[in-house]
Amino acid sequence: SQQGEEDPQALSIQEGENATMNCSYKTSINNLQWYRQNSGRGLVHLILIRSNEREKHSGRLRVTLDTSKKSSSLLITASRAADTASYFCATDAPGTYKYIFGTGTRLKVLA
Amino acid sequence: DVKVTQSSRYLVKRTGEKVFLECVQDMDHENMFWYRQDPGLGLRLIYFSYDVKMKEKGDIPEGYSVSREKKERFSLILESASTNQTSMYLCASRQGVWDEKLFFGSGTQLSVL
Repeated sequence: SQQGEEDPQALSIQEGENATMNCSYKTSINNLQWYRQNSGRGLVHLILIRSNEREKHSGRLRVTLDTSKKSSSLLITASRAADTASYFCATDAPGTYKYIFGTGTRLKVLA
Repeated sequence: DVKVTQSSRYLVKRTGEKVFLECVQDMDHENMFWYRQDPGLGLRLIYFSYDVKMKEKGDIPEGYSVSREKKERFSLILESASTNQTSMYLCASRQGVWDEKLFFGSGTQLSVL
């Protein structure tokens, strides 16, 4: 079945730096979401971008969407140690109730 | 804020046992989901319920069943647990098909020995 893919699989940065992670998907979508998962916990919704949007901001988060390339990026600016987590993109499958989750990017922010 | 509560954080069961994983949400959401999460495979959908007593199979329903007798509760049942069902199980809910945002529980780490 379709799988989104995040890139890189793991990322380690210093506190205060920006973190960028990418997501690619395979079919047309209505929207794309980003979620965060702290170690051993459930996922928390961060931001949703619709297929007719190109960029969206929420606090220190910036998401872009390029439907022609079937890709999205999540930028976290001025990262903090508390941002250490795994980040997942999720795309809807039009005409179904399903979401397709990627395999995630593990972000480590060093204090 | 929506609260999705999974009954156990950690569970250890024996092969062949019948296992019940419970999930309760407190915001009158119509739709509820069960996923399993394995390293390198991401989240995979086991079952989905769009209303009370209504369910749909997801991508990996084999070896599982579900029950939704009340709107707030969605149970995942492993009929006869096997070692390959050792995994993190995540329950999620959303208001309805018009609202794409998912709310997740904290997860149940199930080990089948």
